[in-house]
Amino acid sequence: DGGITQSPKYLFRKEGQNVTLSCEQNLNHDAMYWYRQDPGQGLRLIYYSQIVNDFQKGDIAEGYSVSREKKESFPLTVTSAQKNPTAFYLCAAEGFTGELFFGEGSRLTVL
Amino acid sequence: AQSVSQHNHHVILSEAASLELGCNYSYGGTVNLFWYVQYPGQHLQLLLKYFSGDPLVKGIKGFEAEFIKSKFSFNLRKPSVQWSDTAEYFCAVNAPGTYKYIFGTGTRLKVLA
Repeated sequence: DGGITQSPKYLFRKEGQNVTLSCEQNLNHDAMYWYRQDPGQGLRLIYYSQIVNDFQKGDIAEGYSVSREKKESFPLTVTSAQKNPTAFYLCAAEGFTGELFFGEGSRLTVL
Repeated sequence: AQSVSQHNHHVILSEAASLELGCNYSYGGTVNLFWYVQYPGQHLQLLLKYFSGDPLVKGIKGFEAEFIKSKFSFNLRKPSVQWSDTAEYFCAVNAPGTYKYIFGTGTRLKVLA
């Protein structure tokens, strides 16, 4: 089945721990994105990557890091420096006609 | 700063009622416009999009949207909603050739059977 696969779907973390969210795509798209979704705030851009080995900060990058070593993969690390990490995280890839294809999301809860 | 406003945060309708969800954006140049939908427990998916041409665009499941450039609006409409349209709807704007997609805060639609 084609698309964007995010894992894990649910994740619990203790304060002070780093966690990494996986995002894999088999759509062969170059550009990939990470968004954070909070109730009543829509989607806010954390990081994006237009090509392999290149990525740029979005609007709320503080406390997050990413890598793009392969076209198919764009993992997001939520570091202990992120002050309010409990949220729903969405990964997306930009299609050839400009639309975004989203994964099912990862819900992170910090205990 | 660029922004997208969705004024209706929660909408409750009965089946067969007509729907119109407002979307206004602030951006001075050419834009691509999108409506995405997130059904309960599912991923965000594209409902429809406007890049150029006919300002009235039709999407999946009977939805349509009209781009009114003078009003910076891209309202979503459906003549007769169904219970299965219960979802959260997001309007988004993108400047062509850029990475930047600006999303509205979303509208939660509940359709009563």
